[in-house]
Amino acid sequence: SAVISQKPSRDICQRGTSLTIQCQVDSQVTMMFWYRQQPGQSLTLIATANQGSEATYESGFVIDKFPISRPNLTFSTLTVSNMSPEDSSIYLCSGAGVTEAFFGQGTRLTVV
Amino acid sequence: GEDVEQSLFLSVREGDSSVINCTYTDSSSTYLYWYKQEPGAGLQLLTYIFSNMDMKQDQRLTVLLNKKDKHLSLRIADTQTGDSAIYFCAESMGSSASKIIFGSGTRLSIRP
Repeated sequence: SAVISQKPSRDICQRGTSLTIQCQVDSQVTMMFWYRQQPGQSLTLIATANQGSEATYESGFVIDKFPISRPNLTFSTLTVSNMSPEDSSIYLCSGAGVTEAFFGQGTRLTVV
Repeated sequence: GEDVEQSLFLSVREGDSSVINCTYTDSSSTYLYWYKQEPGAGLQLLTYIFSNMDMKQDQRLTVLLNKKDKHLSLRIADTQTGDSAIYFCAESMGSSASKIIFGSGTRLSIRP
């Protein structure tokens, strides 16, 4: 199994600012994803982080709001831009092989 | 579109078996998963089943898959207080652990 580390684990941010979340995987994974879990809700896929190219975004999510980088096979970042209180959520990074997908502990973001 | 449904709550007595049910819509899903989320924690992959299997057992966990009815269940034998968590059913979109669609999660509570 892969171990996925996210930083920061939590943050409280002012509205209008941006936060970059880092995700490090301890082994090479085929694919990396970013999910959002709003309070009391299930997980929603934001985008697939593609190595060396632009991320693939799901409906309702755009690059200007959630820019993503993946410079290599084990590292990715998600930026939450121009934050508002509605962005308060847990953001989770996932790394997937052929059969299994593993998750980091998540970043709990509160926007005030 | 793709959808995964599960009941929101389940309460069982300590020592009894817990059965968490799930239905999904995408018949092409190759892998179906059960994840556990404890309060304030990330997602832990409990187990997964390949779509051509009917059953998978791993210690106290038994997964049953009825592909015809698109029904998945997770049975936890001898439920303990440490099993209190939210359990998410999830399906892969396609032939690998690529995009994963999550259910709403079932909150399992244990009563003495």
